[in-house]
Amino acid sequence: AQSVAQPEDQVNVAEGNPLTVKCTYSVSGNPYLFWYVQYPNRGLQFLLKYITGDNLVKGSYGFEAEFNKSQTSFHLKKPSALVSDSALYFCAVSQRGGNKLVFGAGTILRVKS
Amino acid sequence: DTEVTQTPKHLVMGMTNKKSLKCEQHMGHRAMYWYKQKAKKPPELMFVYSYEKLSINESVPSRFSPECPNSSLLNLHLHALQPEDSALYLCASSQASLAGFSYNEQFFGPGTRLTVL
Repeated sequence: AQSVAQPEDQVNVAEGNPLTVKCTYSVSGNPYLFWYVQYPNRGLQFLLKYITGDNLVKGSYGFEAEFNKSQTSFHLKKPSALVSDSALYFCAVSQRGGNKLVFGAGTILRVKS
Repeated sequence: DTEVTQTPKHLVMGMTNKKSLKCEQHMGHRAMYWYKQKAKKPPELMFVYSYEKLSINESVPSRFSPECPNSSLLNLHLHALQPEDSALYLCASSQASLAGFSYNEQFFGPGTRLTVL
C-alpha cells in the first residue's frame, strides 16, 4: 500500500523568504511523486512531478522539489515566496501500474507581506 | 483546450432527490476520475474510468453511480444521498495507456459543491 505524510498542517513564511513544504512517502517499488496546489473554492492544479531521472524537479510558478530516495522524501521548495503562493498544498504518490493517486493530508502555506 | 469543466457549480438536494453531476474534457484524455473532498482535507478517490470502462471503484456506496458515455464525458448520478455526502466533488482527467498511467499528472475541474439537506 502507498501512503504520504505531510508533517506540517501549516507553514508560515515572510514574502521574499525561501519556503519548504515537507513530504515523505511510502510505496512498494519506485514511486511516482506529485505536488498539487489548491486555492480556495477551486480544483487542484498540478505543480510538478518526479518519475525518474534527475532528483531535482522544476515545475510551475518557480516551484521545485527534490526527490531523496534514502530519506523517502519529496519536499517542495521555492527560493522566494510570494503572497499569492498562499494556498493548500498536497503531495501525492502513485506506484507503477497502480493507476491511483494517494494524497497527503495537505499543508496550508501562508505567506505574509 | 486544457480545461476540465464541471456542472453545476453548486447543487442542493434533498435525501429523496435524484440528480447528476457532469464533467467534460477535450484534451483527448482516456482516464477520468471522480473524487470527493471535504473542507481542508485531501481528495478521496471514488472511481476511475480507463478507456470508458470502470477500472477502480473504491467501495463507494451504490447511491453514487458513475457513467462514462464517451471519451469526453463523465457523469455521477446521485440518489438517496445522506447529509454526510455533502462535499466538493472533483472530476479529473489524465492521459492513459493500456499499460498503465499512474505517472501522468491529472487535470482537475473546479468541482461541484454539493449540499444534501
